[in-house]
Amino acid sequence: GGIITQTPKFLIGQEGQKLTLKCQQNFNHDTMYWYRQDSGKGLRLIYYSITENDLQKGDLSEGYDASREKKSSFSLTVTSAQKNEMAVFLCASSIGDTQYFGPGTRLLVL
Amino acid sequence: AQSVTQPDARVTVSEGASLQLRCKYSYSGTPYLFWYVQYPRQGLQLLLKYYSGDPVVQGVNGFEAEFSKSNSSFHLRKASVHWSDSAVYFCVLSASNTNKVVFGTGTRLQVLP
Repeated sequence: GGIITQTPKFLIGQEGQKLTLKCQQNFNHDTMYWYRQDSGKGLRLIYYSITENDLQKGDLSEGYDASREKKSSFSLTVTSAQKNEMAVFLCASSIGDTQYFGPGTRLLVL
Repeated sequence: AQSVTQPDARVTVSEGASLQLRCKYSYSGTPYLFWYVQYPRQGLQLLLKYYSGDPVVQGVNGFEAEFSKSNSSFHLRKASVHWSDSAVYFCVLSASNTNKVVFGTGTRLQVLP
């Protein structure tokens, strides 16, 4: 089996700050994803990557950057944190159509 | 455009009771359908998936789901719930031959002891 690790688990930022979230997987999966989870809104896709150095925008990419320097890692940057923003960011990787999720990074912006 | 609707935001049942969580989808092509569960402060875990064939698929922990093309539905069922089943359940649609995945808004299940 494999595992997806997300760091940090909790992130507290200031308004306007640039914040970076990291995701590592040892499944050797090609495709990786970043989702944002807001209460009552399900998961919304921010970015995904089908291979190293590839980036594809999801429905919620505005305000975010992503980076896939290695097959095993996928980083997400909040380019300018919004005041009172509170969400969980979930990283996933997939083989075929089945996705495997990390435990999430919980973001709070003061 | 694809969409997934989970009409019940919250469901409360007593331990030992049967359960059905509803999911309706909208997609003109061949859907790949999934149910994921999210326990508190954890990521999502796959319960079961449907690609084709027998419309009733079995998953982990006694869960099953039934695909209905005529009703555009993929309801999740369990014959007898346990308190540890309390979690949020997501119905997910993957459009065939694409990386497009659509999540429902989730149903929060509370099982009363």
